[in-house]
Amino acid sequence: KNQVEQSPQSLIILEGKNCTLQCNYTVSPFSNLRWYKQDTGRGPVSLTIMTFSENTKSNGRYTATLDADTKQSSLHITASQLSDSASYICVVTRGQGGKLIFGQGTELSVKP
Amino acid sequence: GAGVSQSPRYKVAKRGQDVALRCDPISGHVSLFWYQQALGQGPEFLTYFQNEAQLDKSGLPSDRFFAERPEGSVSTLKIQRTQQEDSAVYLCASSSQTSGAHETQYFGPGTRLLVL
Repeated sequence: KNQVEQSPQSLIILEGKNCTLQCNYTVSPFSNLRWYKQDTGRGPVSLTIMTFSENTKSNGRYTATLDADTKQSSLHITASQLSDSASYICVVTRGQGGKLIFGQGTELSVKP
Repeated sequence: GAGVSQSPRYKVAKRGQDVALRCDPISGHVSLFWYQQALGQGPEFLTYFQNEAQLDKSGLPSDRFFAERPEGSVSTLKIQRTQQEDSAVYLCASSSQTSGAHETQYFGPGTRLLVL
C-alpha cells in the first residue's frame, strides 16, 4: 500500500532551538519527495523538493534529507522562530502522473 | 499576484443539505486538484482537472460528490445530501502545466465544512 508515515505527531520546542522531523514512505514508483508547511487555516506551501538522486536540499533554515534506499526523509529546522509554528507535511509523488501521497503531518509549536 | 482562492472559507450545513464549494485557481493554470483534509490528517486526493476535462475522479468518496470546471478556470465541488463524515477542510490546488511529477501545486486556504 502506498503510504507516508511521519513522526513525531507533534513537537514543542523553545525559540532558537533546532529540531528534526521524520518521514518514512512506501510509495512506488517514487518520483520525488516534498516537504510542505501548512499554517493554521492556510493551504500547504512547498518548502523543498528532492528527486531520487538528491540526498539533501536546503531552503534557508530548512534542510531536507532523503535516503532513497531506506525510503526515509528528514526535515531539519535550524534556529527555530515563532513563525515556524505550523504543520509540516511530507508528500511523495507517485509515478510520472503527479499523484501526491500525503503524510499526516507533524504539528510543530515553537514557544518563546 | 493573486494565489488560489476558495469560497466560502467556512460552511456549516445541516445533515442532508447540499453544499457547493468554489475554487478560483491561479490565472492560466491548466491543472486543478481537489483534496479532502480530515482533522489532524494530511490531505487526500479527490479529483483532477486538466483544463475543463476531469481526468481523474478516483478519490471521490461517493456519488454524492461531484466536481466540475466547465470553462477550464473556476471549479466547483458539490456535495449532495451531506453527512457528518463529510466534515473536513476541502483544499483546492492548481499548477501551471499538465499534471506531472515535478509540477508544483499551489494550494488555496481551503473551505472548512462542518456538517451538523
